[in-house]
Amino acid sequence: LAKTTQPISMDSYEGQEVNITCSHNNIATNDYITWYQQFPSQGPRFIIQGYKTKVTNEVASLFIPADRKSSTLSLPRVSLSDTAVYYCLVGVNYNTDKLIFGTGTRLQVFP
Amino acid sequence: GAVVSQHPSWVICKSGTSVKIECRSLDFQATTMFWYRQFPKQSLMLMATSNEGSKATYEQGVEKDKFLINHASLTLSTLTVTSAHPEDSSFYICSAREVMNTEAFFGQGTRLTVV
Repeated sequence: LAKTTQPISMDSYEGQEVNITCSHNNIATNDYITWYQQFPSQGPRFIIQGYKTKVTNEVASLFIPADRKSSTLSLPRVSLSDTAVYYCLVGVNYNTDKLIFGTGTRLQVFP
Repeated sequence: GAVVSQHPSWVICKSGTSVKIECRSLDFQATTMFWYRQFPKQSLMLMATSNEGSKATYEQGVEKDKFLINHASLTLSTLTVTSAHPEDSSFYICSAREVMNTEAFFGQGTRLTVV
């Protein structure tokens, strides 16, 4: 399973765009990249998943360069409710493949 | 999205007693479920992988006799903390994945406090 490296914490203000980058230098050919959000005392919540280039959904965008050794989660116009820990996971998400969490990025959004 | 229900959401027990936590996939069949524990301000730590109808696979350092995992059906896995002690107090989270689905779904977690 590819190891991931993220910034420990980030600060932002409401209305700003936040980009959180994750490094995964030893990502394998079949690996997907998945981001989860976790609020205190809750289980993680799926945000977005991608394999290459760009993926966008109603809450975020995921940018993956051609070499796939990193990925960037982009949160447009954050609000106070986006204050949470964001985890980047890499692995082949089929059947019994394990989900190993790294340290995550603690995002604090200020008014 | 799919729903994973975890019960109870919190529990307080006396030292030496056992506690069972349930994890159910409500609208899909989960051949594999995962159990995590999380201490304050820390990341999730994988404890074990539970496959329906077979013995769980425990991560290194996790005592299988202390943390009993049963995955008797495609929608239910249980974690029993046996002879709980204060150091077992933690936030326990389960996760379930549908066959051939690339997305894993998480329960809301169980806060265990051993007094």
